[in-house]
Amino acid sequence: AQSVTQLGSHVSVSEGALVLLRCNYSSSVPPYLFWYVQYPNQGLQLLLKYTTGATLVKGINGFEAEFKKSETSFHLTKPSAHMSDAAEYFCAVRPTYNQGGKLIFGQGTELSVKP
Amino acid sequence: EAGVTQSPTHLIKTRGQQVTLRCSPISGHTSVYWYQQALGLGLQFLLWYDEGEERNRGNFPPRFSGRQFPNYSSELNVNALELEDSALYLCASSLAVNYGYTFGSGTRLTVV
Repeated sequence: AQSVTQLGSHVSVSEGALVLLRCNYSSSVPPYLFWYVQYPNQGLQLLLKYTTGATLVKGINGFEAEFKKSETSFHLTKPSAHMSDAAEYFCAVRPTYNQGGKLIFGQGTELSVKP
Repeated sequence: EAGVTQSPTHLIKTRGQQVTLRCSPISGHTSVYWYQQALGLGLQFLLWYDEGEERNRGNFPPRFSGRQFPNYSSELNVNALELEDSALYLCASSLAVNYGYTFGSGTRLTVV
């Protein structure tokens, strides 16, 4: 069965610093990969996704992620953190074969941004 | 384009009661997914409906059930509520397997 591991349940950065949120997946074949953001008391918003093609994916709000098959990773980065980036971030995988059609989520990483 | 809408936004119920949560997907989306987000437990997959049929369910007891209507809207029913059912219930819709989900804002259920 596929799974997703997000390293670090809490990450704290200073405003203007690099944001790096780590995500590793287990899969025998490359799945579809997603990053979502959740602000307090809200639903999840899609940041970016990888399905096929270019392995460096750009998303909204200046975020990007790189699919590395050899490392089974899909880490999320942003060059310069902003206070408004403080939220919880979820990495998710969706098998390319039919495994019930569902997204499998990591446990989430809470990002804090210090002034 | 209207997003995924869920109702109600907040709900307080007593142990043993029953509750129905509602979800309207984005127009054209035929798949609807339900997730439970309880404190400290992450996002747990509940149910997947597509074209009016239940396609898959997560590891939840049978008192969690639902259905999808011909217009693709969906209901989630929870019977015999327990305190641990307190959570944010998120509905999402999707167009195709290589697309992500679009989530609604959720229904916050509190069981007292």
